[in-house]
Amino acid sequence: QFVLTQPPSASGTPGQKVTISCSGRRSNIGLNPVNWYQQLPGTAPKLLIYSNNQRPSGVPDRFSGSKSGTSASLAISGLQSEDEADYYCAAWDDSLNGDVFGPGTRVSVL
Amino acid sequence: EVQLVESGGNLVQPGRSLRLSCAASGFTFGDYAMHWVRQAPGKGLEWVSGINLNGGGIGYVDSVKGRFTISRDNARNSLYLRMNSLKEEDTALYYCAKDSGDIIVGGSILDHWGQGTLVTVTS
Repeated sequence: QFVLTQPPSASGTPGQKVTISCSGRRSNIGLNPVNWYQQLPGTAPKLLIYSNNQRPSGVPDRFSGSKSGTSASLAISGLQSEDEADYYCAAWDDSLNGDVFGPGTRVSVL
Repeated sequence: EVQLVESGGNLVQPGRSLRLSCAASGFTFGDYAMHWVRQAPGKGLEWVSGINLNGGGIGYVDSVKGRFTISRDNARNSLYLRMNSLKEEDTALYYCAKDSGDIIVGGSILDHWGQGTLVTVTS
């Protein structure tokens, strides 16, 4: 059972926009910033979005994040084949006193 | 270039112990908090433990409290995870991850990850 919830899968055709939701509670998303990680097949996770909507250097601007209340979302605009990956949201949980990850969303490019 | 290299993973029986290590390079290790995150085969990511830059603040996921101990040696640029009383459900790829900040509370931004070391617990 996960503290953060995400849809198990999402898909789109090349060029489309895909949005992934991440729902939590006041103790995590409600009070703390959300980060997103991308895990390409067979590789280690990579930081994709931090502090709700900030992109690390090198991350294309077609990736964007937002947060409202106890929910956050990741949007991928102009979907490309290399975006096929698992995407995880994460946030610190003040009640659990630890980081929590969502179950991950697998994005497929049709 | 930041590099994190994990080691120490192995095949062990339930109840046994294991010590994971993470050798860090390419940054001032003692300036940053560090974490262990695991991924069971075919499953998602799970934060296991984190430690502040000086070891003064530590956190664990509930399922490992009392069994796992995180530590660091800033002089050796190394992070460790002592795993006791291992259970089959601890089977996973264990990643070492660098935080962008110096403390773990309030928001851990894991900006660099190692490639992981595999721990398999089975009888």
